[in-house]
Amino acid sequence: DVKVTQSSRYLVKRTGEKVFLECVQDMDHENMFWYRQDPGLGLRLIYFSYDVKMKEKGDIPEGYSVSREKKERFSLILESASTNQTSMYLCASSMLQRGREQYFGPGTRLTVT
Amino acid sequence: GQNIDQPTEMTATEGAIVQINCTYQTSGFNGLFWYQQHAGEAPTFLSYNVLDGLEEKGRFSSFLSRSKGYSYLLLKELQMKDSASYLCAVRATSGTYKYIFGTGTRLKVLA
Repeated sequence: DVKVTQSSRYLVKRTGEKVFLECVQDMDHENMFWYRQDPGLGLRLIYFSYDVKMKEKGDIPEGYSVSREKKERFSLILESASTNQTSMYLCASSMLQRGREQYFGPGTRLTVT
Repeated sequence: GQNIDQPTEMTATEGAIVQINCTYQTSGFNGLFWYQQHAGEAPTFLSYNVLDGLEEKGRFSSFLSRSKGYSYLLLKELQMKDSASYLCAVRATSGTYKYIFGTGTRLKVLA
């Protein structure tokens, strides 16, 4: 079974802190994604990566950066956390081919106070 | 702009059939996915359509009409465990891996 794991289920940080969210997948998938999920807004793509060291901006990249140094690991960085970044963060991975579904991690609920 | 519309909530009775609709307006089309998400859990894949027609998978079926920008997910013989949100997602443009998600339909199954 594909497994996508995220470093924390719940995280509380203060405004201005630097925050790292880690995601690891064990199925050798090329694609990895970071989304945030907010009530009434659905899943919105922050960044995705289709190869090591490659990244592309999603729909809401402002205030975030990412790092992919190894194929299995994709990190989301909040350089200076703000209260409007309080959200559920979901990592996903998929194979490169068209039509391959995404596998999601359990999510990290981040609260910024 | 790019948009996916789904009803916000639906209620149905155990043992019944329910149809969840999804309409989309995107700059291109390279496949439509349905995911199930139980409260507090990650979305899990249900079905994929890229050609017009019906795809059947046990109690779940998904239909696509590309000319109408329309899909539906059909759930038969509803069970209590089917109470969840159902997300429609479109991969809009070839050459990119961006997926556009709808806001999801929360389905309540009543005994």
